[in-house]
Amino acid sequence: DAKTTQPPSMDCAEGRAANLPCNHSTISGNEYVYWYRQIHSQGPQYIIHGLKNNETNEMASLIITEDRKSSTLILPHATLRDTAVYYCIVRVWEAAGNKLTFGGGTRVLVKP
Amino acid sequence: DTAVSQTPKYLVTQMGNDKSIKCEQNLGHDTMYWYKQDSKKFLKIMFSYNNKELIINETVPNRFSPKSPDKAHLNLHINSLELGDSAVYFCASSPPGISHTEAFFGQGTRLTVV
Repeated sequence: DAKTTQPPSMDCAEGRAANLPCNHSTISGNEYVYWYRQIHSQGPQYIIHGLKNNETNEMASLIITEDRKSSTLILPHATLRDTAVYYCIVRVWEAAGNKLTFGGGTRVLVKP
Repeated sequence: DTAVSQTPKYLVTQMGNDKSIKCEQNLGHDTMYWYKQDSKKFLKIMFSYNNKELIINETVPNRFSPKSPDKAHLNLHINSLELGDSAVYFCASSPPGISHTEAFFGQGTRLTVV
């Protein structure tokens, strides 16, 4: 699976959009981009994933560059409950055993 | 109605002991996993089972033995516990098929070996 690079930490003001970047310059054509987050003392939580097109769901938006070498997770209106470590993961989908390889992630602190 | 539940949530034990962590999912998923999160907060996969069969074993010591009595359960047995086994262990499950849906994680079991 391709490796990802994320900033170790970032702050965000409550109510503002949080833009979380992720570089995955060695991504291959059949690898998807996944985002998970881990709130303190909880298990990781799925947020969103995509292959080529931009994606949006009730939690966030995912913007993938045309060359697919980087992506941005957007939390449109950050709340204090969005404080967490956010992980960007790229991997090939497999029929069974979808292994997730977590990196260091970005520690996001949402401030009042 | 917890989707993926682990027991116990906390486990403190002495070196050399044998312990088990249980995991159950009520989502009807075919695939279950064990992940380990160390003191530096890195999450690493240990095992994956699909329909009770082992499909991923990521160079984990033989002291760790997963057991899947049915596809809703994946228990983790650890023999001869060592100080370095102290970590948070997460169970997870994911559905089968061609859909790229997500993995659901349990709340974790914090294991402390003293």
